[in-house]
Amino acid sequence: GQQVMQIPQYQHVQEGEDFTTYCNSSTTLSNIQWYKQRPGGHPVFLIQLVKSGEVKKQKRLTFQFGEAKKNSSLHITATQTTDVGTYFCAGPRDSGYSTLTFGKGTMLLVSP
Amino acid sequence: NAGVTQTPKFQVLKTGQSMTLQCAQDMNHNSMYWYRQDPGMGLRLIYYSASEGTTDKGEVPNGYNVSRLNKREFSLRLESAAPSQTSVYFCASRTGFAGELFFGEGSRLTVL
Repeated sequence: GQQVMQIPQYQHVQEGEDFTTYCNSSTTLSNIQWYKQRPGGHPVFLIQLVKSGEVKKQKRLTFQFGEAKKNSSLHITATQTTDVGTYFCAGPRDSGYSTLTFGKGTMLLVSP
Repeated sequence: NAGVTQTPKFQVLKTGQSMTLQCAQDMNHNSMYWYRQDPGMGLRLIYYSASEGTTDKGEVPNGYNVSRLNKREFSLRLESAAPSQTSVYFCASRTGFAGELFFGEGSRLTVL
């Protein structure tokens, strides 16, 4: 079945450094979503990418969807302590749209 | 609006006991989902309900049953709890087959 893999599993940075997490799918995705989960919290939707090669920005966060629609990345510029959490990507499960398959997530720790 | 509400937030069970996790959403969403989250495993789909009156198995349905009571409510039942079901359970909902998932705050279940 479809798999969505994320790397790295964990990253520890100093405040002000950049951070990138990568998401790779075994199949072509119609769209990809990104979520953030703060420690002890629940996942919160960040963004959805739909088009091949799409790039979207949210302040210091830049999201990209690959040309082949099989990979995606989230880049944070100049991390802050408020960026701490686990970032998940998710794509439609198999060929259907009704469910999402989540990657295992990248845990980000930011030291002041 | 409360969004997605889950009860209970915490529960300790003994092996073999049964319990039901309740979930309700007030956003008039058609689709509802139950995920479990274990360390290093990301979010795995247990069951989902694409619309009122329908339910389907996800990736890890064994040991669970669900009921879509009405459009607002979707419950998850453990008939005979096992230690392997110790996890954090998240209920989520969304409008249809696409778009963002809205998550509840989670239910932390420990089975001894």
